[in-house]
Amino acid sequence: KAGVTQTPRYLIKTRGQQVTLSCSPISGHRSVSWYQQTPGQGLQFLFEYFSETQRNKGNFPGRFSGRQFSNSRSEMNVSTLELGDSALYLCASSPGSANTEAFFGQGTRLTVV
Amino acid sequence: KQEVTQIPAALSVPEGENLVLNCSFTDSAIYNLQWFRQDPGKGLTSLLLIQSSQREQTSGRLNASLDKSSGRSTLYIAASQPGDSATYLCAVRSRSNDYKLSFGAGTTVTVRA
Repeated sequence: KAGVTQTPRYLIKTRGQQVTLSCSPISGHRSVSWYQQTPGQGLQFLFEYFSETQRNKGNFPGRFSGRQFSNSRSEMNVSTLELGDSALYLCASSPGSANTEAFFGQGTRLTVV
Repeated sequence: KQEVTQIPAALSVPEGENLVLNCSFTDSAIYNLQWFRQDPGKGLTSLLLIQSSQREQTSGRLNASLDKSSGRSTLYIAASQPGDSATYLCAVRSRSNDYKLSFGAGTTVTVRA
């Protein structure tokens, strides 16, 4: 059974540009959550999608957005990149109910220069 | 709102010693608690999931206990090996945080050969 796949693994972008990250969950999983991890802030929740609907949202500016497709694959978009957006972006996949296990991808390392 | 704390932040032990990692949470009304391992620059690997109705879970050299009433979980790693060197994170899913995973800051473990 394939795990959670995140692409690309590494990205370097210039301040002001936009970026799109992709996450393919485990087959059959309907929930995809996104997290930002930085050395200073740790793991911070961005948003969760379930069956193509945003079910939860963290405290990030509107520059951060996401969506989920009918096959449960999810994309995250960050517009007008800032230096502080440099981080490891992780996505987690789960079947969707509250008592289930979450599985993470290897992450996308975004560097903004 | 759920707050998760992990103490100590870092731990260094000689090979062969047993590891004891602590996790505490403020809201005992949890659905489950999950322990993860993270290697530098990589994603999170799920180690153990404990449902709220369980007291402990075991997998190989790993054993995790859960005491909901006191808001604590402990991860034991028996007979540590240099390959166990990593950051260990605990995460709690609870209604008070809209079923999102609330993460601790992690304990970074170094096992000396």
